[in-house]
Amino acid sequence: DTGVSQDPRHKITKRGQNVTFRCDPISEHNRLYWYRQTLGQGPEFLTYFQNEAQLEKSRLLSDRFSAERPKGSFSTLEIQRTEQGDSAMYLCASSYDLVGQETQYFGPGTRLLVL
Amino acid sequence: DQQVKQNSPSLSVQEGRISILNCDYTNSMFDYFLWYKKYPAEGPTFLISISSIKDKNEDGRFTVFLNKSAKHLSLHIVPSQPGDSAVYFCAASDDYGNNRLAFGKGNQVVVIP
Repeated sequence: DTGVSQDPRHKITKRGQNVTFRCDPISEHNRLYWYRQTLGQGPEFLTYFQNEAQLEKSRLLSDRFSAERPKGSFSTLEIQRTEQGDSAMYLCASSYDLVGQETQYFGPGTRLLVL
Repeated sequence: DQQVKQNSPSLSVQEGRISILNCDYTNSMFDYFLWYKKYPAEGPTFLISISSIKDKNEDGRFTVFLNKSAKHLSLHIVPSQPGDSAVYFCAASDDYGNNRLAFGKGNQVVVIP
């Protein structure tokens, strides 16, 4: 299977702890996106990378969140000092930039529950 | 500020009949529209897309219609099958270089055998 993969699929943590999620995009896709989805809502954009460069962050991404994409391949999303409001599904997507209008393909997501 | 809106959160349809999902948007700079299907505990799966230069795109049982003047698009599924039971999301992007997607809240579709 050469689709987008995410690890772990589920994470339960206590408030105040740090968590890190990993995303492996479709190989040769140069763009990687992170979204967050809460119950009853559609996914909301958090940030995106073109190769290894993080080019945009949403205002939803507080200082407790940091994302990296070393070497332009896999990406990690870290949440420090988790809060109960961080409980959500974190989705990763990748695409190949074809001068706009490219299709993003999503991974299965990481469901985070902060107790 | 919800730039992509999906009303009628749920839809029930008999197997073999047509399912019609509607989506409205407010941002006139959107030029690419996509529909995704999502099963519980899985990520969204891409279904079909349409560029703003077209008014219709067809792929098997799925057809998307775009009315730019009304800022409205719809997804037709015909014939509906039980495996189509899922949440469907409408998404849109503009051409400012990042192509981030703005999603609606989704429509739950239940296909009754």
